[in-house]
Amino acid sequence: GQQVMQIPQYQHVQEGEDFTTYCNSSTTLSNIQWYKQRPGGHPVFLIQLVKSGEVKKQKRLTFQFGEAKKNSSLHITATQTTDVGTYFCEGQGGSNYKLTFGKGTLLTVNP
Amino acid sequence: DVKVTQSSRYLVKRTGEKVFLECVQDMDHENMFWYRQDPGLGLRLIYFSYDVKMKEKGDIPEGYSVSREKKERFSLILESASTNQTSMYLCASSLWGGRSNEQFFGPGTRLTVL
Repeated sequence: GQQVMQIPQYQHVQEGEDFTTYCNSSTTLSNIQWYKQRPGGHPVFLIQLVKSGEVKKQKRLTFQFGEAKKNSSLHITATQTTDVGTYFCEGQGGSNYKLTFGKGTLLTVNP
Repeated sequence: DVKVTQSSRYLVKRTGEKVFLECVQDMDHENMFWYRQDPGLGLRLIYFSYDVKMKEKGDIPEGYSVSREKKERFSLILESASTNQTSMYLCASSLWGGRSNEQFFGPGTRLTVL
């Protein structure tokens, strides 16, 4: 079945450093979504990527969808303490358009 | 704003009890989902529903059942709770055929089974 691998599982950075999390799917995806979950909170939708090679930006966050639509990344430039949380990708793919979450990357930021 | 509410934030039950977790959304979404979230395992889909009285098994349906009698309400049922069902349970909803797959999550119910 479809699997979505997300790395790293944890990332600790100093405030101001950059951060990247990666998702890799075992199957070609129709689209991929990214969510952020603050500590003690629930996942909140950030963005959806649909097109091969697509790049989208939200302020300091840059999202990419690979050319083969099997991988994606989220890059944060100059992290701030407000970026702390777990970032999840969720891919949709396969003949039944199944939605699968990655296990998430927990980002901690040292002020 | 879309609002997804769950009946309890914290719940403590005993092994063997029947447990009902309720989820209500107010945006007329067709799709509703139940996940459990455990450390290191991420979000795992238990069941989802794309219409009233319709349900589909997710990745870990064993030990759970669901009910969707009304569009706005999706219930998760643990017929006989066990300690390995201690977890955070998250409900979500989304629009069918919308511009994106955006799911709106409820605040979660932390269930402890003793």
